[in-house]
Amino acid sequence: KNEVEQSPQNLTAQEGEFITINCSYSVGISALHWLQQHPGGGIVSLFMLSSGKKKHGRLIATINIQEKHSSLHITASHPRDSAVYICAVSGGSNYKLTFGKGTLLTVNP
Amino acid sequence: ETGVTQSPTHLIKTRGQQVTLRCSSQSGHNTVSWYQQALGQGPQFIFQYYREEENGRGNFPPRFSGLQFPNYSSELNVNALELDDSALYLCASSLGSGGANVLTFGAGSRLTVL
Repeated sequence: KNEVEQSPQNLTAQEGEFITINCSYSVGISALHWLQQHPGGGIVSLFMLSSGKKKHGRLIATINIQEKHSSLHITASHPRDSAVYICAVSGGSNYKLTFGKGTLLTVNP
Repeated sequence: ETGVTQSPTHLIKTRGQQVTLRCSSQSGHNTVSWYQQALGQGPQFIFQYYREEENGRGNFPPRFSGLQFPNYSSELNVNALELDDSALYLCASSLGSGGANVLTFGAGSRLTVL
């Protein structure tokens, strides 16, 4: 079993829909990262959080440390949101990030 | 403020050859981490360099080695290339070596081993 599990693996939505991507992890962590990867490879850091909730524009990330679970929400989805969304965690003072396999999101116009 | 740049963007090598990939860190960042991403998989941690010293290593053999320079740029060297080394190699810089630091990623170097 992977230390970081994401669901769903693939998600197709219509423009304007509310999107939720989930991430569960099995180790104690110091921080959880949500990353966005577009075709071609470049990765952009969306959020880093260790508790509670963060919001940036149409994106919201939440984390529940007790349940070892995080969600990434996209409100009013748009075709330009189409990308792979990756959850990654770091444990304690550990430098090492462990990544999930990613969720491929496709938003159709 | 410049971001993270990687070179080359694409390269093709044959089995047994050696390759060097380069990464310039974001201005002000002192830490560089390298990751390997096979097709359809999440990135895997290779190693991290903090202030010119290797600060930690993932589950990769010794033929994967690296350097960090005084300007905090970094190189990843892979010797005796194998077919399974074909992947996207990503570097990310940060201010600080702990896992609770925001990472800035480069666009990656895509290596194909024939």
